[in-house]
Amino acid sequence: DADVTQTPRNRITKTGKRIMLECSQTKGHDRMYWYRQDPGLGLRLIYYSFDVKDINKGEISDGYSVSRQAQAKFSLSLESAIPNQTALYFCATSERTLSEQYFGPGTRLTVT
Amino acid sequence: AQSVTQLGSHVSVSEGALVLLRCNYSSSVPPYLFWYVQYPNQGLQLLLKYTSAATLVKGINGFEAEFKKSETSFHLTKPSAHMSDAAEYFCAVSEGGPGNQFYFGTGTSLTVIP
Repeated sequence: DADVTQTPRNRITKTGKRIMLECSQTKGHDRMYWYRQDPGLGLRLIYYSFDVKDINKGEISDGYSVSRQAQAKFSLSLESAIPNQTALYFCATSERTLSEQYFGPGTRLTVT
Repeated sequence: AQSVTQLGSHVSVSEGALVLLRCNYSSSVPPYLFWYVQYPNQGLQLLLKYTSAATLVKGINGFEAEFKKSETSFHLTKPSAHMSDAAEYFCAVSEGGPGNQFYFGTGTSLTVIP
């Protein structure tokens, strides 16, 4: 089984709808991250979490919110989706500072 | 502030030829540097990482990278390209800190021509 899983893998939604992307990990890592990937822009950090009680904004947090329900679960919400949030979203985890990050398979989100 | 520049958004090489993907970084402190590969419809997979132990770092699938502080570079190379190397490659930098934030380059798409 994969160490970092994301659901759903693909989602099409309409403008104005609320949507939640979920991430689960079995690696036992404290640090979790949400990124979005756009062609030509690489990966940009949306939010990250040190642990259940610590949530931090990343580079592009506007229009997004997150919830860390447990050490293993980190959810990303779009309160009112808009078309320019169409992107590939990745969840990642890391064990400690300066260690590599481990990525999930991604969620492809399309907002029409 | 950290930043990563990957020169060349698209690189094409012939099968068997040298692969060279460029990465330059800016960092106010000694960085940790990473190369990731992304195959179509998949997540990112770590190729190799520089953590200040040795300047020449060997990774998976025959890739290696050399950290050059004077040039602020961490270029990725492979002596002989295989068809299976066709993918998107990302360079990333981390200065540490409790959150272990990464800063990614914009990526280089590698095409291998048979």
